[in-house]
Amino acid sequence: QLQLQESGPGLLKPSETLSLTCSVSGGSISSSSHYWAWVRQPPGKGLEWIGSIYYSGTTYYTPSLKSRVTIFVDTSKNQFSLKLNSVTAADTALYYCQGSYYDSTQAIDSWGQGSLVIVSS
Amino acid sequence: QSVVTQPPSASGTPGQRVTISCSGSTSNIGNGYVYWYQHLPGTAPKLLIYRNNQRPSGVPDRFSGSKSGTSASLAISGLRSEDEGDYYCAAWDVSLSGRIFGTGTKVTVL
Repeated sequence: QLQLQESGPGLLKPSETLSLTCSVSGGSISSSSHYWAWVRQPPGKGLEWIGSIYYSGTTYYTPSLKSRVTIFVDTSKNQFSLKLNSVTAADTALYYCQGSYYDSTQAIDSWGQGSLVIVSS
Repeated sequence: QSVVTQPPSASGTPGQRVTISCSGSTSNIGNGYVYWYQHLPGTAPKLLIYRNNQRPSGVPDRFSGSKSGTSASLAISGLRSEDEGDYYCAAWDVSLSGRIFGTGTKVTVL
């Protein structure tokens, strides 16, 4: 069973870099069938997809964050990470990592418990 | 900018059937699969429906999904108090080259 766990600083100052890591267990980060993603939820708002990475290293990012965000994989640690530069108060949110696999007969869709990041001076 | 729209709220009494709509465009819903998530307070989102109408193992058949053109819907039959929470549709948007979540619907069990 795929399990994910986010870790990283919970409090940042404006202009700093947000760095979160998602540790994966019960499956390989190098799996050719899985899709790894970051999703966030600002206080009182809905879910916002940040970006994703595939085993090939191909990444996709939401246009509004593309200039500031990087998602990458560390296969030696079975982890994937999120970096978001130049944060502002608008980046305050609960950040989730997600691992998924879908085909015609099954779906695996696991999320971390969420990591609250507050941006405040 | 691409937007996938859901009604902000839906409600019903226990045992009733509730339907949530998800309206998109040819660049997202009309171009691929729709996924539905349940997000209960204090928990991580949970996949209810994938590939428009498929249920993952363990999801009760009270939950069903459908898609037609650029719209999709989630139906919850036999509504229960534990179904109270937020529901989101999601789809890949080819013009954004990214995934997009719907605006979310809060389901209340009266």
